[in-house]
Amino acid sequence: DAGVTQSPTHLIKTRGQHVTLRCSPISGHKSVSWYQQVLGQGPQFIFQYYEKEERGRGNFPDRFSARQFPNYSSELNVNALLLGDSALYLCASSLDSLNYGYTFGSGTRLTVV
Amino acid sequence: AQTVTQSQPEMSVQEAETVTLSCTYDTSESDYYLFWYKQPPSRQMILVIRQEAYKQQNATENRFSVNFQKAAKSFSLKISDSQLGDAAMYFCAYWKGGGADGLTFGKGTHLIIQP
Repeated sequence: DAGVTQSPTHLIKTRGQHVTLRCSPISGHKSVSWYQQVLGQGPQFIFQYYEKEERGRGNFPDRFSARQFPNYSSELNVNALLLGDSALYLCASSLDSLNYGYTFGSGTRLTVV
Repeated sequence: AQTVTQSQPEMSVQEAETVTLSCTYDTSESDYYLFWYKQPPSRQMILVIRQEAYKQQNATENRFSVNFQKAAKSFSLKISDSQLGDAAMYFCAYWKGGGADGLTFGKGTHLIIQP
């Protein structure tokens, strides 16, 4: 079975641009969560979606948004990119809204120049 | 807000030896969950072990075990018979439960295995 799939694996954007990151959960998993991991730090919670609804949001500005589609895949969107948005963005899926069954993807490395 | 502190930025251990990674946390909750995740260079976070706060017995998964001290808010990870494949970043994480909150991670400990 395929694990959590994230695309793209790497990308470079310019300050002020917009970016969309994509995540496909494990088959049967209905919950997707997004984390930002800045170099040298632990991951920080951005969003959780369950059954296409936002169930949780971390302390991130409104430039960050996400959505979940009927097939449970998800997109993370970041507007007006700042240099500080450079990070590894991790997606995690779980069967339901409970977090203790997380499976993480390998992430998208975003560099803002 | 909950905080998780890992005071050891880097640890080194000889292959086949035992190493303990430290983690402390701060919370006002009585029921919660604690985790240790491993992040190798492949970047994928891999769950190593999980502990429910209401369980007094320390969790064990093969060569990995924890020492959970609820009153002291301490949650250390012991790796026995260290192997080269154990080399990675290790993150301690806290979840208060309930589904709407994400995990709170520490800054991580870089574990080096000396052959």
